[in-house]
Amino acid sequence: AQKITQTQPGMFVQEKEAVTLDCTYDTSDQSYGLFWYKQPSSGEMIFLIYQGSYDEQNATEGRYSLNFQKARKSANLVISASQLGDSAMYFCAMREENAGGTSYGKLTFGQGTILTVHP
Amino acid sequence: DGGITQSPKYLFRKEGQNVTLSCEQNLNHDAMYWYRQDPGQGLRLIYYSQIVNDFQKGDIAEGYSVSREKKESFPLTVTSAQKNPTAFYLCASSPDRGGQETQYFGPGTRLLVL
Repeated sequence: AQKITQTQPGMFVQEKEAVTLDCTYDTSDQSYGLFWYKQPSSGEMIFLIYQGSYDEQNATEGRYSLNFQKARKSANLVISASQLGDSAMYFCAMREENAGGTSYGKLTFGQGTILTVHP
Repeated sequence: DGGITQSPKYLFRKEGQNVTLSCEQNLNHDAMYWYRQDPGQGLRLIYYSQIVNDFQKGDIAEGYSVSREKKESFPLTVTSAQKNPTAFYLCASSPDRGGQETQYFGPGTRLLVL
């Protein structure tokens, strides 16, 4: 069974500074995908970034980067130059995938981290 | 614009009543999912469907039922057997091709018990 652990219930960061949100995972699968989502107070889930287990380079999407350490089973999200609009709940999630790239589809989510950006 | 719609935004249920949450997508995605989110918690999978006329139980299926008669629609019924239905319900869909293809989420339905 897959499990995602986010150990930081809440994080605070000053505007324009960088922040790292932690995520560790547990799986016996060889092929899997890791995702980060942002959930503002409105409730919608916004996809931020994806990392495949066989990707050798860390994923980046604009101000978001994923610090993937496979041996340690960690997939931390780094947000650079924080903005007030980054204040939200952030979820790490995992999806098992077979080696051929066909997804089984199901996502397993962590408990989330509430990020508050101070001006 | 393509996307996922959920209705209603808020739903109130009386004791012993079944209620149905709507989820429609026009993204031509094969797979659809229902998640439940309790306050301050992560999402838990209720049911999912990877093809029309077929669906599978997720981690917390008890007290819920679904149907998938059309590719675009995946309604969720919260039955009277679900003793603690108050939660935020999110529907999602994906092309189920793996890789970077993520799940796309609807805006959610908040269910409250009267």
